[in-house]
Amino acid sequence: AQSVTQPDIHITVSEGASLELRCNYSYGATPYLFWYVQSPGQGLQLLLKYFSGDTLVQGIKGFEAEFKRSQSSFNLRKPSVHWSDAAEYFCAVGAGQAGTALIFGKGTTLSVSS
Amino acid sequence: GAVVSQHPSRVICKSGTSVKIECRSLDFQATTMFWYRQFPKQSLMLMATSNEGSKATYEQGVEKDKFLINHASLTLSTLTVTSAHPEDSSFYICSASQGLDSPLHFGNGTRLTVT
Repeated sequence: AQSVTQPDIHITVSEGASLELRCNYSYGATPYLFWYVQSPGQGLQLLLKYFSGDTLVQGIKGFEAEFKRSQSSFNLRKPSVHWSDAAEYFCAVGAGQAGTALIFGKGTTLSVSS
Repeated sequence: GAVVSQHPSRVICKSGTSVKIECRSLDFQATTMFWYRQFPKQSLMLMATSNEGSKATYEQGVEKDKFLINHASLTLSTLTVTSAHPEDSSFYICSASQGLDSPLHFGNGTRLTVT
């Protein structure tokens, strides 16, 4: 069955420190992978996506993620966290085609301490 | 970039009434749109796939007679929660894709509260 696992429910990071959010997936075909961010009461904003090619993808707001097929992982990283990064982060997997929905992980809440 | 607009952002209704939520793709055509539901502090659960000009495809466990979906044009899908009950209170989010190899773009969601 297709699934996405985000092992960390809640993470607190000091402002300026580095961040890594974990994501593991189970998908029968070549996965299209996404990271979205959601602020309270808001919709989802796409941070980055992986479809093919270079396994290290760059996104908006200084985020990057690395696709590791052997580990079925797509971890999100940021070298220096800002207070405004505090939000809910969702990893998602899909077929990448127009008619295909995404399967989401349960999300990781990021808190940033000063 | 692609924009998906969802309206209303918040709605409060009385138990037993119906509520319609609109999802529009503002600068692209979407033959397929998706409706998700999100409970507090939880992930997004796919409710149904809305197909322009045809019937929606519902996920297992979603009542099609309760959550009516209409996709009358390439830029508009609507979700109507019929005979709403307090347990229908939730955050509903729609999404659409521009096409092959394009990510899903999400609306800002609708917070439904049924009293």
